[in-house]
Amino acid sequence: DQQVKQNSPSLSVQEGRISILNCDYTNSMFDYFLWYKKYPAEGPTFLISISSIKDKNEDGRFTVFLNKSAKHLSLHIVPSQPGDSAVYFCAASQNSGNTPLVFGKGTRLSVIA
Amino acid sequence: DAGVIQSPRHEVTEMGQEVTLRCKPISGHNSLFWYRQTMMRGLELLIYFNNNVPIDDSGMPEDRFSAKMPNASFSTLKIQPSEPRDSAVYFCASRLHLAGELFFGEGSRLTVL
Repeated sequence: DQQVKQNSPSLSVQEGRISILNCDYTNSMFDYFLWYKKYPAEGPTFLISISSIKDKNEDGRFTVFLNKSAKHLSLHIVPSQPGDSAVYFCAASQNSGNTPLVFGKGTRLSVIA
Repeated sequence: DAGVIQSPRHEVTEMGQEVTLRCKPISGHNSLFWYRQTMMRGLELLIYFNNNVPIDDSGMPEDRFSAKMPNASFSTLKIQPSEPRDSAVYFCASRLHLAGELFFGEGSRLTVL
């Protein structure tokens, strides 16, 4: 069973617009959430994280929102740039990050110029 | 600074052959993780080590898979015998402690014919 679900395999957005990537989780013990970005032929790299004590974390063009009651988080990228085209993985962990990360299947974002 | 180093980057082998994937974590990192990426399952955790000791290998799919970490700077993932369904990208990742940012290698793409 997938504990972390990314139901959209792909997303296309025009340059300059907002990209919204969604993620749902089933394990209520998760209390630390992360987004990783992956380019072809490279390993995933950390993008942004959020603790369950917060509902929003912002870093430049990237904002992560957490809705604990819905067990849902989303990554907003605004404005989107062609260089943002990549696969984005949602990940979750328990005990404030002291357990291994559980990843979703990823969403491929294409930003069209 | 050298990141997580994996070898080989690409491996093509025939069914039944032994495959050994290698990983050198970032110096000073205490935790090492092996993940496998497939289209169907995304990034799934196979096994992880803390201070060279295997902590959880419940993600290892079958007895054909084994992993070792003989010292703090080296780990191997072995598949024997390999099967076509083992074809995937295998990632090694390390971090300073069980918590904290996870750093991935560039992956080893395995194709079993």
